[in-house]
Amino acid sequence: EAQVTQNPRYLITVTGKKLTVTCSQNMNHEYMSWYRQDPGLGLRQIYYSMNVEVTDKGDVPEGYKVSRKEKRNFPLILESPSPNQTSLYFCASSFQGPNQPQHFGDGTRLSIL
Amino acid sequence: TQLLEQSPQFLSIQEGENLTVYCNSSSVFSSLQWYRQEPGEGPVLLVTVVTGGEVKKLKRLTFQFGDARKDSSLHITAAQTGDTGLYLCAGDSSYSNSGYALNFGKGTSLLVTP
Repeated sequence: EAQVTQNPRYLITVTGKKLTVTCSQNMNHEYMSWYRQDPGLGLRQIYYSMNVEVTDKGDVPEGYKVSRKEKRNFPLILESPSPNQTSLYFCASSFQGPNQPQHFGDGTRLSIL
Repeated sequence: TQLLEQSPQFLSIQEGENLTVYCNSSSVFSSLQWYRQEPGEGPVLLVTVVTGGEVKKLKRLTFQFGDARKDSSLHITAAQTGDTGLYLCAGDSSYSNSGYALNFGKGTSLLVTP
C-alpha cells in the first residue's frame, strides 16, 4: 500500500531534549516536505527536499533541521526543542514537486513542556 | 511567501444546502490544489486545477480556477454530513522565483448537520 509513515504519532517531551521525527515513503517520490499545523495559522511549510541531498527552507525553518540521505526518508530534527514548537506536524511527499498531488502522513502531535 | 486567503473561515449548514468556499491571492500560481482534512488525519487531495478558467467536477463538488490563475472556488451541491471537514487550498511557487515551496491557505472548516 502506498503510504507516508511518520513516527512517533504522539510525543510529550521537555525543553532542550533533542528529538527526531521520522518520515518514510514507499512511492519512490522525489519531493518531500514537512509542515506544522497550528490553530489560526494553518499549515506552514518548514522544509522541503527536491531530491536526495537537496533541501531548502520553507516558511518557518527556525529551530528545525532536516536531512535527505536516502530517497525514501526525510527526518525532522529538533536539536533543542522549545514550547513554541508544540504543534501537529505532517510529512508529505509527491512524485516530483509542489505542483503535484501531495501524499500526507497521519501526523505527529508534539508537546514540548 | 505567497499568501492564500480562504473564506469563509467557518461554515455551518444543514444537509441539502449548497455552499461555496473561496481561495484568493494576489499572486499567480501555476496550479492550485484542493484538499480535505478530517480530524486526526492528514489532508487528502481532492483536485488540482492548472489552466486559467478551468472547471473540474468531482461528484457534487465543482472546482473553478480563475482566469488570471490567482483564485479558485469550491462549490458543493446538496451537502451531506460526510462533507464535514477542513477544506484547504494550496498553491505552488514554481511560477515565480520563490523556489519550490507549497503554500496553504488557513482553510475553511465546514460542518454539515443532519
